[in-house]
Amino acid sequence: AQSVAQPEDQVNVAEGNPLTVKCTYSVSGNPYLFWYVQYPNRGLQFLLKYITGDNLVKGSYGFEAEFNKSQTSFHLKKPSALVSDSALYFCAVRDYSFQKLVFGTGTRLLVSP
Amino acid sequence: DVKVTQSSRYLVKRTGEKVFLECVQDMDHENMFWYRQDPGLGLRLIYFSYDVKMKEKGDIPEGYSVSREKKERFSLILESASTNQTSMYLCASSRSAGQGSYEQYFGPGTRLTVT
Repeated sequence: AQSVAQPEDQVNVAEGNPLTVKCTYSVSGNPYLFWYVQYPNRGLQFLLKYITGDNLVKGSYGFEAEFNKSQTSFHLKKPSALVSDSALYFCAVRDYSFQKLVFGTGTRLLVSP
Repeated sequence: DVKVTQSSRYLVKRTGEKVFLECVQDMDHENMFWYRQDPGLGLRLIYFSYDVKMKEKGDIPEGYSVSREKKERFSLILESASTNQTSMYLCASSRSAGQGSYEQYFGPGTRLTVT
């Protein structure tokens, strides 16, 4: 079965510094990978996805993610963090058996001024 | 923009009550989903539907049922609410896999408290 793991419950970074939120995956076959963000008391918002093609995927709000097949990782990155980036981030992988996504447990990002 | 709406943002119900959570999407998506979100557990799929009147069990269907009478509307039903169903409930929709797009679009969530 497809799965993703987010090894960090929380990531702390200072405003202006680069940020990385980690995600590793386990799939049989080619992975379809996604990142979502959730602001307080809101639903999830789609950030970006990897289906095929370039290993560096660009998404909304200046975020990007790097697909690494050998390390089975799909880390979310941003060159310069903003306080407004503070939120809960979820990694997800498509389940081939059904038209559904399997989500990680989430990583809380805190960006300090 | 895709819009997914949920009938209530906050809901308080008593143990044993029957609870209806409504979700409506306006993008003619074939697939619709219900999740619950709990701290430390992420999102867990309760039920999903890939067509009108069709439904599939997700990972945690016990204590829940669903209804999809129209393409745009997907309802989650708690037959007899219990305190362990206190949670955030999220609805989502997506195109069918044949259309080559797999991302899901989420509603704002319903925070349900069962007392």
